[in-house]
Amino acid sequence: EPEVTQTPSHQVTQMGQEVILRCVPISNHLYFYWYRQILGQKVEFLVSFYNNEISEKSEIFDDQFSVERPDGSNFTLKIRSTKLEDSAMYFCASRRDNYSPLHFGNGTRLTVT
Amino acid sequence: TQLLEQSPQFLSIQEGENLTVYCNSSSVFSSLQWYRQEPGEGPVLLVTVVTGGEVKKLKRLTFQFGDARKDSSLHITAAQPGDTGLYLCAGAGGNEKLTFGTGTRLTIIP
Repeated sequence: EPEVTQTPSHQVTQMGQEVILRCVPISNHLYFYWYRQILGQKVEFLVSFYNNEISEKSEIFDDQFSVERPDGSNFTLKIRSTKLEDSAMYFCASRRDNYSPLHFGNGTRLTVT
Repeated sequence: TQLLEQSPQFLSIQEGENLTVYCNSSSVFSSLQWYRQEPGEGPVLLVTVVTGGEVKKLKRLTFQFGDARKDSSLHITAAQPGDTGLYLCAGAGGNEKLTFGTGTRLTIIP
């Protein structure tokens, strides 16, 4: 069964550094998402992306965050200047259309020191 | 802001017992989903309920969507150690994002 893949599985970075989290959604999916989960807290929506543009974003997704679909397969989340509070699991998700189930990747654990 | 509260937050029961997990909100959702999340993995969808009052069964798991589409429950019959995990409800409000609940960590003791 096709799945959403995320790399790296764990990223450690210093405060103030830029990080790029990578995701390969399922190939025939058209809607892409990033969620995050701070340790011990609930899963939170960050951003949705469709037709090469952001369709919705949360208040967490400020101007330090950006997303890109640079080619036909990858979907990336960039954090321009990381803060300690950005430490979390970041989940990429995709679905074929607005009525299909959401498929999550296994996440990237980001640790900012 | 839409909030989904799950109860209980933690539940530890003996194998073979029955249990119910609740997911409550003051907001109406167009659909509600239940996920299970294992350590180090992303949430995996169990079921989606759409219609108020809808009941769906998945083997020993029974999911119900409240009549007003503000709440849901997950009932597990004859719990097995393999049911151990984090159960999350998530509501869709008509826009694209999902609002996740606070989670219920279930432990089944053999």
